[in-house]
Amino acid sequence: QKEVEQDPGPLSVPEGAIVSLNCTYSNSAFQYFMWYRQYSRKGPELLMYTYSSGNKEDGRFTAQVDKSSKYISLFIRDSQPSDSATYLCALQQGGSEKLVFGKGTKLTVNP
Amino acid sequence: DAGVIQSPRHEVTEMGQEVTLRCKPISGHDYLFWYRQTMMRGLELLIYFNNNVPIDDSGMPEDRFSAKMPNASFSTLKIQPSEPRDSAVYFCASSRGAGRRYEQYFGPGTRLTVT
Repeated sequence: QKEVEQDPGPLSVPEGAIVSLNCTYSNSAFQYFMWYRQYSRKGPELLMYTYSSGNKEDGRFTAQVDKSSKYISLFIRDSQPSDSATYLCALQQGGSEKLVFGKGTKLTVNP
Repeated sequence: DAGVIQSPRHEVTEMGQEVTLRCKPISGHDYLFWYRQTMMRGLELLIYFNNNVPIDDSGMPEDRFSAKMPNASFSTLKIQPSEPRDSAVYFCASSRGAGRRYEQYFGPGTRLTVT
C-alpha cells in the first residue's frame, strides 16, 4: 500500500463550481497536512497547511483533515479559471523535514 | 528575493553522458531538497541537506546519482552516466526549517531528456 494515494483526475468543472480534491494515507505518524498547487511548467507552491485534524479556511479554499479515517480534502468554492492547475497533497511527520507527496490531481476550470 | 534558481531549465543529452543540474536556494534557508517528478511516480524526494550536510539520500535511485552542496548558496545534482529512464523534471526546493518546516519553496525545475 502506498503511503499517500491521490486520484490523478483529470477533473474538469465549469467556472463557479465547488471542487473537492482528496487524498488518503496509511501512516498514522503524519501530523502536518499540506496542499501544494502546481501550474503547468512551474514548481509547486504551498497553498494551505493544517496541523492534525480539523478544518482550515482561507478565502475560497478550505482544507479538511480526518485523522481517524486517514483522509484529507481540499475544497475550492466559486472556482475560477485561474484555479486550473495540478493540486498535490503533501504529508509530513512531526520532527521530520521530509514531505511525502501525492501524485497530484489535475484540475481545469472552464470559463 | 529571486526565489530558488535552477539551471539549466532544459537539458537534452544522449545516453551515457554526464548531466549536472544546479540550484541556488533562497538566502537564509537551512534546508535544500532535490526532487524528481514523473507522470508515473509523481514527485519523489531524492536527497536533502541541512546546513550544507547531506542528511538523507535514501531516495537517490542508484550510484549514478550524486549530489553536493559545497556552500550555503549552491548545490549540484549529477547523473553519470545518464540513461533514458532518468528523463524527468528535477526540482530543487529550500526551506527555513524550524517553525515552518512544512513550507518548501520550489524552483522552476530542470526538464531533462535523455535520448
